[in-house]
Amino acid sequence: SQTIHQWPATLVQPVGSPLSLECTVEGTSNPNLYWYRQAAGRGLQLLFYSVGIGQISSEVPQNLSASRPQDRQFILSSKKLLLSDSGFYLCAWSLARPEPNEQFFGPGTRLTVL
Amino acid sequence: AQSVAQPEDQVNVAEGNPLTVKCTYSVSGNPYLFWYVQYPNRGLQFLLKYITGDNLVKGSYGFEAEFNKSQTSFHLKKPSALVSDSALYFCAVRDFTGGFKTIFGAGTRLFVKA
Repeated sequence: SQTIHQWPATLVQPVGSPLSLECTVEGTSNPNLYWYRQAAGRGLQLLFYSVGIGQISSEVPQNLSASRPQDRQFILSSKKLLLSDSGFYLCAWSLARPEPNEQFFGPGTRLTVL
Repeated sequence: AQSVAQPEDQVNVAEGNPLTVKCTYSVSGNPYLFWYVQYPNRGLQFLLKYITGDNLVKGSYGFEAEFNKSQTSFHLKKPSALVSDSALYFCAVRDFTGGFKTIFGAGTRLFVKA
């Protein structure tokens, strides 16, 4: 069966510090991968998605970036965090084919920027 | 552009009563619709999806959803609510207009009172 891992579960970082959140998927190959941010326990904002190694599509211009160095690894990064980067970050995966497919979400990382 | 709307921020029902969480959609082309549930401090979990076929879709945990093309709705239902159904529910639509994106509604918080 497939599983998705995210770490860390919680993170408190000062403004201006770097960020690295990691997501890995097990039990499937060539998944589509997604990073979302959820603010105030409500709607989801799609940040990045990837359909393959090294292929990243950005949905929102901001100080965050994403990378996919391996097929089942997705990393969210920032060089300098802003207060507005606080939120609940969710990684998700879906089968690439056949479309359309449901997404499977990780447990999330709660980021607080102080 | 594809979109979904969840007109109710919150729905309150008594345990044992039927529940409905509303969703309307706007798409160009065939609608591919999903429902997800989120428990506190957790990732989203897939409940069910409509791709084609029967208008009544059955999903996990006794939930079902009714697709109504003329009313462009995809309401989530359950015949008898449980206290444990209390959570945040998201309706979503697959967006094929550009890339591999799913558009999520703002979410509806369901409270089931014992």
